[in-house]
Amino acid sequence: AQSVTQPDIHITVSEGASLELRCNYSYGATPYLFWYVQSPGQGLQLLLKYFSGDTLVQGIKGFEAEFKRSQSSFNLRKPSVHWSDAAEYFCAVGARSNTGKLIFGQGTTLQVKP
Amino acid sequence: DTAVSQTPKYLVTQMGNDKSIKCEQNLGHDTMYWYKQDSKKFLKIMFSYNNKELIINETVPNRFSPKSPDKAHLNLHINSLELGDSAVYFCASSQGGLGRGHSSGNTIYFGEGSWLTVV
Repeated sequence: AQSVTQPDIHITVSEGASLELRCNYSYGATPYLFWYVQSPGQGLQLLLKYFSGDTLVQGIKGFEAEFKRSQSSFNLRKPSVHWSDAAEYFCAVGARSNTGKLIFGQGTTLQVKP
Repeated sequence: DTAVSQTPKYLVTQMGNDKSIKCEQNLGHDTMYWYKQDSKKFLKIMFSYNNKELIINETVPNRFSPKSPDKAHLNLHINSLELGDSAVYFCASSQGGLGRGHSSGNTIYFGEGSWLTVV
């Protein structure tokens, strides 16, 4: 069965520190991979996506993610966190089909200390 | 202009009532979705429509009935509301599914969510 696991429910980092949010997936083939961010009381905003090609993808707000097929992972990173990055982060996988169905992880809550 | 807009943003209603959430997208997309986010923030797809035709129905109770009058709109009607229906409902849209033959794939755009509380 397809699934996405975000092992860290809650992460706290200091402003200016680096960040890595983990995402592991279980899928029969190479899926499409996404990271979305949800600020409190807001909708989901796409940070970045991987479909093919370069396994290191750049996104908005200074985020990047690396697809590692051997580890079934798609970890999100940012070299220096800003207080405004405090939010809920969701990793998702999608099938290479026309259904557009996304399977989401449980989310990671990021808290940023001043 | 908001690309995917939902109304209402907040809705508090009593058990047993019938309510609707409306969704409109101005992106020219042909595929729209409803996702549900529960109290533990877990997101799961409910329905998907392509060109007004239902293509995904994820074993959602038949009290939930989506209606797509045209490609730009996908409304969600909920009958006989139950406490467990309290959640955030997200509408989303894309041009086709994820694998429309593009090497870069497609992006699914989400609305800002509708917070439904059943009391």
